[in-house]
Amino acid sequence: QKEVEQDPGPLSVPEGAIVSLNCTYSNSAFQYFMWYRQYSRKGPELLMYTYSSGNKEDGRFTAQVDKSSKYISLFIRDSQPSDSATYLCAMSAKGNTDKLIFGTGTRLQVFP
Amino acid sequence: ETGVTQTPRHLVMGMTNKKSLKCEQHLGHNAMYWYKQSAKKPLELMFVYNFKEQTENNSVPSRFSPECPNSSHLFLHLHTLQPEDSALYLCASSRGGDQETQYFGPGTRLLVL
Repeated sequence: QKEVEQDPGPLSVPEGAIVSLNCTYSNSAFQYFMWYRQYSRKGPELLMYTYSSGNKEDGRFTAQVDKSSKYISLFIRDSQPSDSATYLCAMSAKGNTDKLIFGTGTRLQVFP
Repeated sequence: ETGVTQTPRHLVMGMTNKKSLKCEQHLGHNAMYWYKQSAKKPLELMFVYNFKEQTENNSVPSRFSPECPNSSHLFLHLHTLQPEDSALYLCASSRGGDQETQYFGPGTRLLVL
């Protein structure tokens, strides 16, 4: 079993839709959770960073962590064509935050 | 230049060649990382350097040899690679220490023939 599972997609939605991206994980020691966005031919860029359980909102993006279910989500409201990219979840354990464990990434396409 | 830069952006090499990838960070960070990104696979951490000292070697074959001469520069020396080593090689940096986020460069797309 992989430590982090993420549906690779592709996920195709119309402009303005609400997008839900998800990851599940198996290691209960993970406490730091990140979402990265990677455009084609570019490196990943950090979108959201959360610690432990709860929600975090930043503009059109909301990150949710449910540690009891070992499940994290990223919601994108009012999606735009410029949101078309691959979204990577990543996580690490306390005291071992150098070692990020990534999902495979979900490719999202938002069409006008 | 700002952020994390990598050169070259693209590299084609034969299995008997020797080449080097270069990474430079302009963020004043103390930790640097090499990752491998292959199609349909998660990013794989290869090496970690904190304050120029290697703190992680994730069972990487010896045909990959990292070098960190100072906290701003990181190299990955390549020799006698295999076709399965073809991938996107990403460099990242962070301030080091707990809870510090990593910032990535654009990557070097490597093709081994």
